Amino acid sequence: GAVVSQHPSRVICKSGTSVKIECRSLDFQATTMFWYRQFPKQSLMLMATSNEGSKATYEQGVEKDKFLINHASLTLSTLTVTSAHPEDSSFYICSASWDRKPTDTQYFGPGTRLTVL
Amino acid sequence: GQNIDQPTEMTATEGAIVQINCTYQTSGFNGLFWYQQHAGEAPTFLSYNVLDGLEEKGRFSSFLSRSKGYSYLLLKELQMKDSASYLCAVPLGRGGGNKLTFGTGTQLKVEL
Repeated sequence: GAVVSQHPSRVICKSGTSVKIECRSLDFQATTMFWYRQFPKQSLMLMATSNEGSKATYEQGVEKDKFLINHASLTLSTLTVTSAHPEDSSFYICSASWDRKPTDTQYFGPGTRLTVL
Repeated sequence: GQNIDQPTEMTATEGAIVQINCTYQTSGFNGLFWYQQHAGEAPTFLSYNVLDGLEEKGRFSSFLSRSKGYSYLLLKELQMKDSASYLCAVPLGRGGGNKLTFGTGTQLKVEL
């Protein structure tokens, strides 16, 4: 159980275009989903918390108009990188959890490698 | 705030035992997670400790001392496939729910 998928696994796009990444919890309903970014040889940096049916909560320094998050159902959250630039190239990982209690384990998707040319 | 420290790199021999340490400073404590991450892949859950002591799961064990702000992950009978980054993480708790703060990760290299 606790399987999270992401699509696409890899994407290459031109500078200025937008890219949408999907995160799905396959065998459970996720009240909360998280979006992380990871640069090479660095740890995961939380970008935003996505709650079903409400607006996402962004971490300090993350532009909400650039990284659009939608959590339309208990099994799907999407991250759209708008007007992508080469500095947005990174490994984007989502995670999902049943609930928001501190003890609730996050289960991670396989990640999406974004390369902006 | 949260502060988590882990060694950056460790090297060990196949078949040996290795201990990966993690120290943390938090304003409140709601447990500590360990994740394994292979290069280019997402982290996978290894363990969660909220009470003091050692919890064993097969070849992997995790220890917690709340009074010392200290945890370690113990890997026994090392295999080549254990070469990965090991991430220590603590939840923010309170209004932060289960938002996690991650350490920088410890890159473990298992050699023959």
